[in-house]
Amino acid sequence: SQQGEEDPQALSIQEGENATMNCSYKTSINNLQWYRQNSGRGLVHLILIRSNEREKHSGRLRVTLDTSKKSSSLLITASRAADTASYFCATSSGGSNYKLTFGKGTLLTVNP
Amino acid sequence: DADVTQTPRNRITKTGKRIMLECSQTKGHDRMYWYRQDPGLGLQLIYYSFDVKDINKGEISDGYSVSRQAQAKFSLSLESAIPNQTALYFCATSTGPSSYNEQFFGPGTRLTVL
Repeated sequence: SQQGEEDPQALSIQEGENATMNCSYKTSINNLQWYRQNSGRGLVHLILIRSNEREKHSGRLRVTLDTSKKSSSLLITASRAADTASYFCATSSGGSNYKLTFGKGTLLTVNP
Repeated sequence: DADVTQTPRNRITKTGKRIMLECSQTKGHDRMYWYRQDPGLGLQLIYYSFDVKDINKGEISDGYSVSRQAQAKFSLSLESAIPNQTALYFCATSTGPSSYNEQFFGPGTRLTVL
């Protein structure tokens, strides 16, 4: 069963706009990670935020984590056509430090 | 990512056939994982290995087996393939616990079972 659930399932924006994707989870976590997947390709790690962190930045990416609401958001600023991909959140929780539990993903389309 | 390679990249087979998917990594990571991805879904963990002598079942191990031949190699076998094993299969590696570490994914193997 999925721990993380992304919202929306699909998002279509124009180049230059910001894209925000959300992830909700059910149980307490050690960390939350975001991955990107270009169509039919392997996943690429974007950013990791630990349970004691509230916000993290990496280039045009901004991730927030609200453990009281069990939710995270990924913001991509000034989007580009090359950002078109599926974005997945993945959580590590409890004693299962071997395992990442992935959500179903948000398909982002950035139109030129 | 060239550091994690998977062979074959595409495979079409028939029901009942034995299939082996191979994964090799040059990252020097101890931990390796096999996932499957079905259309519109996230990844489900099939098997994982912390080192050559440590292999563990994941969420959906039924119908699959694995072999860790060396630190760098982790193979997934379907002993008798069935159509609902049609999926995209990914190998991944990490240096240590997912509490602290990202996973690095191979390019995937698209398997079709007719």
